[in-house]
Amino acid sequence: GENVEQHPSTLSVQEGDSAVIKCTYSDSASNYFPWYKQELGKRPQLIIDIRSNVGEKKDQRIAVTLNKTAKHFSLHITETQPEDSAVYFCAASIQRNQGGKLIFGQGTELSVKP
Amino acid sequence: DVKVTQSSRYLVKRTGEKVFLECVQDMDHENMFWYRQDPGLGLRLIYFSYDVKMKEKGDIPEGYSVSREKKERFSLILESASTNQTSMYLCASSYPPPTGELFFGEGSRLTVL
Repeated sequence: GENVEQHPSTLSVQEGDSAVIKCTYSDSASNYFPWYKQELGKRPQLIIDIRSNVGEKKDQRIAVTLNKTAKHFSLHITETQPEDSAVYFCAASIQRNQGGKLIFGQGTELSVKP
Repeated sequence: DVKVTQSSRYLVKRTGEKVFLECVQDMDHENMFWYRQDPGLGLRLIYFSYDVKMKEKGDIPEGYSVSREKKERFSLILESASTNQTSMYLCASSYPPPTGELFFGEGSRLTVL
């Protein structure tokens, strides 16, 4: 079945620096790659996603890149702020008509120091 | 606003007890999911459902079962709780693709003694 590996497990940056989190997936049929952010004590929430027909997607300070050949995708956060501190999860799924099971990575705890 | 409500935020059970975790969503979503969250292991899929009375195993279904008698309700059942099932359980729901976004409940923290 699908397996998603996420690195690093923890990441500490200074406010204003960039942060990059990387994920690899195993099933080449995967076609949907979302990223979720979970603040302390809260539920995970979708922050950005990308589909397999697109190589890059950007939303203000966050961007996601996808390399289908290498089967990896990355989250880039620029100009980090303390409120970006959270656990970030990547995920991959094969989206079919009825839906697809979303397989998550292990999570990255991002700490942004003021 | 989408609302996914889990019946219990905190539960403490004894080994061997039967445990029910209830999840209700109010957005008429077809898809519902149960995940387990453990530090360093991320979110692991236990079961999911595409429709009423329909269920499919996720990656770690052993020791769990589910029930979906109504579209809005998806229950996770631990037939005989064990200490290694102590965890945070997250329910989620979504529309079918292409939307696909998961909406999570607040989680149920289960401790099995």
